[in-house]
Amino acid sequence: QVQLQESGPGLVKPSETLSLTCTVSGGSISSYYWSWIRQPPGKELEWIGYLYKSGSTNYNPSLRSRVTISVDTSKNQFSLNLSSVTAADTAIYYCARDLNGDYFFDNWGQGTLVTVSS
Amino acid sequence: DIQMTQSPSTLSASVGDRVTITCRASQSISNWLAWYQQKPGKAPKLLIYKASSLQSGVPSRFGGSRSGTEFTLTISSLQPDDSAIYYCQQYNSYPWTFGQGTKVEIK
Repeated sequence: QVQLQESGPGLVKPSETLSLTCTVSGGSISSYYWSWIRQPPGKELEWIGYLYKSGSTNYNPSLRSRVTISVDTSKNQFSLNLSSVTAADTAIYYCARDLNGDYFFDNWGQGTLVTVSS
Repeated sequence: DIQMTQSPSTLSASVGDRVTITCRASQSISNWLAWYQQKPGKAPKLLIYKASSLQSGVPSRFGGSRSGTEFTLTISSLQPDDSAIYYCQQYNSYPWTFGQGTKVEIK
């Protein structure tokens, strides 16, 4: 059973870079497709970006200039960097699996709350 | 971006009721729609994909359908465990987008 776990700082200062890691256990990260999705408190879900098996990526145009998703297959992890954060980036950040490259998500991490505040 | 509009925002129903949630896409998305259930403090759970395909392990009281750009999630007999927020997601084209959610409450 594949499990996902997000980790990273819960508090980030404005203008700094938010960095999160998703650790995958119970399966190889190279076997699936992955995404980061966020949810501001009390609001709807927002797709951030996608990591293909090949290692290529695709990002939400609204965040593209600030987002980088990368993978470390040796650690079975993938990461999110979001630069120049503001209070609007305060959200629960989820990593999620796309089993077959169909672009919906069948397995999610528990989520981690990141607050942007000085 | 494709806008996904859900209705109602909140509904309250009794155990055993048939419940219907609607999601309308701002343009054609074929059948590329998923439904998720989210309980407080938890991650979303996939219920339905490709508009009407039931995810493995999801109770058969959940069903999905499509009519043009309007999609429906139906709970045939509402159970206490179904109290949650339900979201639709289109995956026809980037960026993938979600509806604003429908909160289902048990009377």
